[in-house]
Amino acid sequence: DAGVIQSPRHEVTEMGQEVTLRCKPISGHDYLFWYRQTMMRGLELLIYFNNNVPIDDSGMPEDRFSAKMPNASFSTLKIQPSEPRDSAVYFCASSLFGGRTNEKLFFGSGTQLSVL
Amino acid sequence: GDSVTQMEGPVTLSEEAFLTINCTYTATGYPSLFWYVQYPGEGLQLLLKATKADDKGSNKGFEATYRKETTSFHLEKGSVQVSDSAVYFCALSSGAQKLVFGQGTRLTINP
Repeated sequence: DAGVIQSPRHEVTEMGQEVTLRCKPISGHDYLFWYRQTMMRGLELLIYFNNNVPIDDSGMPEDRFSAKMPNASFSTLKIQPSEPRDSAVYFCASSLFGGRTNEKLFFGSGTQLSVL
Repeated sequence: GDSVTQMEGPVTLSEEAFLTINCTYTATGYPSLFWYVQYPGEGLQLLLKATKADDKGSNKGFEATYRKETTSFHLEKGSVQVSDSAVYFCALSSGAQKLVFGQGTRLTINP
């Protein structure tokens, strides 16, 4: 398996622009997570899905952020409008079952977002 | 809420030195505990885990023991290598299908 695939690897945009990050989870995994990593706040969970349904979006910082999972093999995280403080590395991760017997996340390589 | 506290980095050691990275947690119930490692330019990957008190997780020469009495899960390795240079994250899962991560500890091993 190719693992979790994220695109783009790097994104540089100007403040106010819309940004869309993409993720393809590992085939067969039923949980998908979006994390944000910054020096100041570390690794934060933004939202996660189970069987394409959003379960917990309490980590989404504000209404400018939205995430979708239209099918089992694709998810997007959108920021509109983007702001400089959104600059971070955004990780997508997937897992199977999500229960105690198989609590292992597989992470993508991340998208480095810079908002100027 | 649940939380994880790691020792602050960065940590710099010489090759073949002994490594300890401290991790303590706060959680309700009986969480599972994890160490993840992030190599430069990559996503996190699971290094080891323990699911109940007194369990020892081990992998690639790294070990950590789940200590309920001290709410700790310290990472240790007897002899580190340059290739161990990475950022290490302690994490817990209390059954809510999501992990809570510590801040991460950057480790650099000099030859």
